[in-house]
Amino acid sequence: DTAVSQTPKYLVTQMGNDKSIKCEQNLGHDTMYWYKQDSKKFLKIMFSYNNKELIINETVPNRFSPKSPDKAHLNLHINSLELGDSAVYFCASTPGEGRYGYTFGSGTRLTVV
Amino acid sequence: DAKTTQPTSMDCAEGRAANLPCNHSTISGNEYVYWYRQIHSQGPQYIIHGLKNNETNEMASLIITEDRKSSTLILPHATLRDTAVYYCIVRAAYSGAGSYQLTFGKGTKLSVIP
Repeated sequence: DTAVSQTPKYLVTQMGNDKSIKCEQNLGHDTMYWYKQDSKKFLKIMFSYNNKELIINETVPNRFSPKSPDKAHLNLHINSLELGDSAVYFCASTPGEGRYGYTFGSGTRLTVV
Repeated sequence: DAKTTQPTSMDCAEGRAANLPCNHSTISGNEYVYWYRQIHSQGPQYIIHGLKNNETNEMASLIITEDRKSSTLILPHATLRDTAVYYCIVRAAYSGAGSYQLTFGKGTKLSVIP
């Protein structure tokens, strides 16, 4: 069983479209994250949710809206996609507060054309 | 989070030990040292972490200097599958704000050569 699973793995879409990426973890973790890795390979945190509550929003445009229906799911909806949104998006989870390691998903490669 | 400094790239012969250094001279007393790696086109993978004592698990060993200003990740017998970017990150275990984010730097690209 995959611990942190993301769908879809690849997403190609046109500018201006709205798209969603889904993330699910079966580890029983309380905290989930979205990271963005751009073409220069820098990994940057976007959002963090702890028990369905937003904890971190790192100056991400409001076109990006995370939604956590329950603590096992953290979805990312993107409105009015732009060329600069092209990147690999990674979901991750941790048990919560403490010195635990993160478990990452395998990523969603988003290409906006 | 405190910043870390790592070499941009390193080579290691297959079967030999890979020693990846990391400087974190501004580390605080409550900050742990974490190591992650990212194999091409995959998500980052947790390797090991430590506070001040040396640590070992099935993947690697972590050696932290007594002053905690630097550390070394050791892969005892590197294989071709260990070729990846390795990230050294320092982070407090308890942020007080309920946020436990990892801040990634540029990492070290390790190439294991046959």
